[in-house]
Amino acid sequence: AQTVTQSQPEMSVQEAETVTLSCTYDTSESDYYLFWYKQPPSRQMILVIRQEAYKQQNATENRFSVNFQKAAKSFSLKISDSQLGDAAMYFCAYRSVAGGTSYGKLTFGQGTILTVHP
Amino acid sequence: GAVVSQHPSRVICKSGTSVKIECRSLDFQATTMFWYRQFPKQSLMLMATSNEGSKATYEQGVEKDKFLINHASLTLSTLTVTSAHPEDSSFYICSAISWRATFEQYFGPGTRLTVT
Repeated sequence: AQTVTQSQPEMSVQEAETVTLSCTYDTSESDYYLFWYKQPPSRQMILVIRQEAYKQQNATENRFSVNFQKAAKSFSLKISDSQLGDAAMYFCAYRSVAGGTSYGKLTFGQGTILTVHP
Repeated sequence: GAVVSQHPSRVICKSGTSVKIECRSLDFQATTMFWYRQFPKQSLMLMATSNEGSKATYEQGVEKDKFLINHASLTLSTLTVTSAHPEDSSFYICSAISWRATFEQYFGPGTRLTVT
């Protein structure tokens, strides 16, 4: 079974600064998807960024980018130019490409609460 | 993007009663829906996977008879918490995936259940 670990329960950043959230995972699969989700106080889950394991290039979405280290099984999220609206709980998630009963299942990390200071 | 709704957003029920939560995919056909439970400041815990027209697959430790899941159509899945107790109070989130979208999992806004 896959596991996802977020070792930072809480992080804080000053507005306009950069912050990096850590995520490691364990899997025996060679192909999979990795995601970062944001859960603001409204508790609506929002997809921030995704990475396909077969792609070596790190995914980027505007101010959000990842550092995907497949061999190290590491998938960190960098938020640049942090904004007050970035304050939320962030979850790293793993999804197998396998079918069957596991199709589409997400395995989430414990989450990191990000505080943005003005 | 695709939209998933949940109803109700909040529900309070008395201990011993049952409560039903609906999860609908509004603009796509959901081949699979997932039900999660989340406690404050904790991660999402997958309870079960629901496929249209077939029995739900429950995660280990989740009581099938207590959390009844029905996926009657490609746009609707329901979670019924039977004989609810205060310890069932939690935030329940559903999500859905479509065969058209390889990567995306669309989440509902969640339902806060309080059992008194």
